[in-house]
Amino acid sequence: DTEVTQTPKHLVMGMTNKKSLKCEQHMGHRAMYWYKQKAKKPPELMFVYSYEKLSINESVPSRFSPECPNSSLLNLHLHALQPEDSALYLCASSQDSPGQGAGGYTFGSGTRLTVV
Amino acid sequence: RKEVEQDPGPFNVPEGATVAFNCTYSNSASQSFFWYRQDCRKEPKLLMSVYSSGNEDGRFTAQLNRASQYISLLIRDSKLSDSATYLCVVILGNTGKLIFGQGTTLQVKP
Repeated sequence: DTEVTQTPKHLVMGMTNKKSLKCEQHMGHRAMYWYKQKAKKPPELMFVYSYEKLSINESVPSRFSPECPNSSLLNLHLHALQPEDSALYLCASSQDSPGQGAGGYTFGSGTRLTVV
Repeated sequence: RKEVEQDPGPFNVPEGATVAFNCTYSNSASQSFFWYRQDCRKEPKLLMSVYSSGNEDGRFTAQLNRASQYISLLIRDSKLSDSATYLCVVILGNTGKLIFGQGTTLQVKP
């Protein structure tokens, strides 16, 4: 299994809703990431988990709450989002600890989120 | 100044053409370098890693110049299927932060 699986693929939520994005990999990768990508822009890093511990939070608003239940799973809990949070949310994983080795990162196909 | 800069294009080239993309990065602590390809409404996919010695994969050649903090990608004999956005990507030091350039759009026309 060489994939990163993200669910759901599409999500529409209201500003008062609570929802979660899920990411799963079974490649034994020890680092996992959340990225946000707006249309015609490059992905922007949100969070980095290394060995199931949060190692980087790029000053992301608290309405986004990451969780890493185990080495294969990464969640992103959403609450009280704004319409400007609408974007493609990408999960990625890498074999080594962040910054170690030259291995590339494997991205999931993303969750396209629309906040109404 | 952006940490990773690319010419956004678009580059419109005929099939069979050779096209070159350039990228510069500002942080000398940058450790690893990659080219990713992203198709419209899809996730980025690793195209190739970039090394100082240069590396080649079929029609694609990537080169890194650490002294100039410059990365290049050369595509020979362009195919219609090469049409995509090419993202220059840098890992900063030991942080694991994958920093993307804004991407260069390539459109190969028949």
